[in-house]
Amino acid sequence: EVQLVESGGGLVQPGGSLRLSCAASGFTFSSYEMNWVRQAPGKGLEWVSYISSSGSTIYYADSVKGRFTISRDNAKNSLYLQMNSLRAEDTAVYYCARVYGSGPDYWGQGTLVTVSS
Amino acid sequence: SYELTQPPSVSVSPGQTARITCSGDALPKKYAYWYQQKSGQAPVLVIYEDSKRPSGIPERFSGSSSGTMATLTISGAQVEDEADYYCYSTDSSGNHKGVFGGGTKLTVL
Repeated sequence: EVQLVESGGGLVQPGGSLRLSCAASGFTFSSYEMNWVRQAPGKGLEWVSYISSSGSTIYYADSVKGRFTISRDNAKNSLYLQMNSLRAEDTAVYYCARVYGSGPDYWGQGTLVTVSS
Repeated sequence: SYELTQPPSVSVSPGQTARITCSGDALPKKYAYWYQQKSGQAPVLVIYEDSKRPSGIPERFSGSSSGTMATLTISGAQVEDEADYYCYSTDSSGNHKGVFGGGTKLTVL
């Protein structure tokens, strides 16, 4: 059974940093591309970032480019999102999602990030 | 930046057919994916690559794409299908930058 479990969310002050993790199991993690997707309270889904299976190709949404860094450790079956210079508008539930073809198929349950003073 | 456009809401009675559209300039060249999200839950994939249905998804869910519009059809909608539905695709530049539609609230009553 495919499982994705996010962790690392919490309350952080504006300008602060946070590192999210996503633990994958039930599939060969190193063979799959991965995405981070977020959802602000009461709003729609927003694609955040993509990483190829090897980690050699990475893309970001314009809204987070230069502040967020996606990475992965295939030996640990883990995906990460380093978030720096956080803003109030980054407040959201962050989901990791496996990519099948060109879009996400399996999603984690999400971790809430709240940016507030 | 690339955008996908969905109607904010669709309403049908139980047993009727619900159709949710998603328009985007790159859809003639890029696949559409559809997700169902119920309140407080993570999204669930219901259609991938325009028209394929994952295992475990009821047959009443189907997808199609023509030109710049993709459509999710729920034939014989049931009360439990009431949820937010999002389309997803990638832009036409050949990279993997994703985009979601704004979402459609489906009401079945």
